[in-house]
Amino acid sequence: SQQGEEDPQALSIQEGENATMNCSYKTSINNLQWYRQNSGRGLVHLILIRSNEREKHSGRLRVTLDTSKKSSSLLITASRAADTASYFCATYRPSGYALNFGKGTSLLVTP
Amino acid sequence: DADVTQTPRNRITKTGKRIMLECSQTKGHDRMYWYRQDPGLGLRLIYYSFDVKDINKGEISDGYSVSRQAQAKFSLSLESAIPNQTALYFCATSDSTQGRDQPQHFGDGTRLSIL
Repeated sequence: SQQGEEDPQALSIQEGENATMNCSYKTSINNLQWYRQNSGRGLVHLILIRSNEREKHSGRLRVTLDTSKKSSSLLITASRAADTASYFCATYRPSGYALNFGKGTSLLVTP
Repeated sequence: DADVTQTPRNRITKTGKRIMLECSQTKGHDRMYWYRQDPGLGLRLIYYSFDVKDINKGEISDGYSVSRQAQAKFSLSLESAIPNQTALYFCATSDSTQGRDQPQHFGDGTRLSIL
């Protein structure tokens, strides 16, 4: 079953704008991970935030985590056309054996 | 060279055929996974392996089998392919020696079409 759910399903913005994607999950977690998938390619790990962290930065990426609401957000600042991709949040199942992925947010950044 | 390599990248075949998708990795990771991606459904886990002798079913293992030939190789077989197995298939790896709940590293996928 899907643990994470991203919102919105699709997002279209112009270059230079910020893009925000949200993720909700159902069970307790050790960490939450965000991945990017370019068209026709595999998923690439972007950033991991641990359950005891509230915010984490990596370059133009900012991730927040609210464990009380079981939610996370991914902010991409100053978007570029190259950021066009699908973005997935993922959490490990409580048993710890495999990741649960949401259905993803499809981001389109137009020049 | 890619760290996680999947072959073939694309495959078209007919119903009833046996198909094998292969995955090899140079990352030295102990854990390997097979996922299936369908539009609107996200990624679903087919099988996972924690080491050569530890193979487990995921949420959608019916109609599939796997073999972990070595730490670096994990293959997925469809014994008798059916059209609803048309999908994008991904292999992934992770390193449990780095601690719990590690990021996974994906290959570029195999696009499989069954007619």
